[in-house]
Amino acid sequence: ETGVTQTPRHLVMGMTNKKSLKCEQHLGHNAMYWYKQSAKKPLELMFVYNFKEQTENNSVPSRFSPECPNSSHLFLHLHTLQPEDSALYLCASSPPSGGYNEQFFGPGTRLTVL
Amino acid sequence: SQQGEEDPQALSIQEGENATMNCSYKTSINNLQWYRQNSGRGLVHLILIRSNEREKHSGRLRVTLDTSKKSSSLLITASRAADTASYFCATDARTGANSKLTFGKGITLSVRP
Repeated sequence: ETGVTQTPRHLVMGMTNKKSLKCEQHLGHNAMYWYKQSAKKPLELMFVYNFKEQTENNSVPSRFSPECPNSSHLFLHLHTLQPEDSALYLCASSPPSGGYNEQFFGPGTRLTVL
Repeated sequence: SQQGEEDPQALSIQEGENATMNCSYKTSINNLQWYRQNSGRGLVHLILIRSNEREKHSGRLRVTLDTSKKSSSLLITASRAADTASYFCATDARTGANSKLTFGKGITLSVRP
């Protein structure tokens, strides 16, 4: 248990569905991250939020829409996804520091797009 | 572009043996971190080594960093079946603010009982 929770743990959706992934941390961290993990590929950073402000968008398609209402919660809204978007989506958070940060990961949401 | 690249891609050892995993990277870093991931789960932070450090220990883990060769190694001593997992190195090139980690593809370690 890292203190970062993600729901749902598994999600199956059609290409026309709209769904949301949720991430929550009560570790007092100020930065939150979304990553995509596909088989045989390195972990891909998607978005970074720092004190609720988006500081990084790693050229992610607009069918993925993040939302960070406060420093403890992060959402990833999904719309009109493609089968190649099937992957494990990981949320992470990190504390403020002088530049030496470990990231705390949630267990991930296994997404399957049919 | 991929920063950390682990070697080997897969490693199978007997319980009690030591496991050595290597990571190479391309650009200057602020720190390098190793993470473990059990199948289908999130990543767990193992150890962080700063760019001005050469070696660090944590329990059965030993990490080295050679900035001149842009490489790091993770040694797990006296391995256990529970060490079976994927291991990732991640480089952080930023100073200040929050980290932006670049991960490698990972090494699959199997420890046979």
